[in-house]
Amino acid sequence: QLQLQESGPGLVKPSETLSLTCSASGGSIATTTHYWGWIRQPPGKGLEWIGAIASSGGTYYSPSVKTRVTISVDTSKNQFSLLLRSVTDADTAVYYCARHVYGLPRIDFWGQGTLVTVSS
Amino acid sequence: EIVLTQSPGTLSLSPGERATLSCRASQYFSSSYLAWYQQKPGQAPRLLIYAASIRATGIPDRFSGSGSGTDFTLTISRLEPEDFAVYFCQRYYDSVYAFGQGTKVEIK
Repeated sequence: QLQLQESGPGLVKPSETLSLTCSASGGSIATTTHYWGWIRQPPGKGLEWIGAIASSGGTYYSPSVKTRVTISVDTSKNQFSLLLRSVTDADTAVYYCARHVYGLPRIDFWGQGTLVTVSS
Repeated sequence: EIVLTQSPGTLSLSPGERATLSCRASQYFSSSYLAWYQQKPGQAPRLLIYAASIRATGIPDRFSGSGSGTDFTLTISRLEPEDFAVYFCQRYYDSVYAFGQGTKVEIK
């Protein structure tokens, strides 16, 4: 059974870079049928898709954060990562890593999420 | 950019009743690219429906999806206590995902 686990600092200072890693277990991320991404949810609000990456390295980003975000993958470690630069308090959210499906697009498996607070 | 608008914002119903949730898009897109998720407090979202009408693995048949073009619907035929949650629709277009703002189904 696939498991996804987010890890990284829970507190980031304004203007700095948010860095999270998602570790997969129980399955390989080196697959051509799935790709891997990040979604966030500010406290009490809705879901915002950030972006995703294929195991080959191809990336897809939301226009709203495209200039500040980088998603990378390390298939040898079965991990993928999120960098979000120049954060503000608007970036405070629960960040989920998740598996995306090609073909009939959907997000079919989610990590438990990790809260990241932007504050000085 | 295709914007999804969900209605109503909150739906107050009793167990056993039928729930009808709407998701309207600002412009046409393929029904193959519409999905629905359920989220309970403190939990990650769970995929319910994809391609507008296909139930995900393990989803009970009281959940059904329909619609095409710009209007999509999630129906819960008879609400069970565990169905009270927030529901999000999601569209995929031009390699980008986006979500509606959510509908909360609460106990009346």
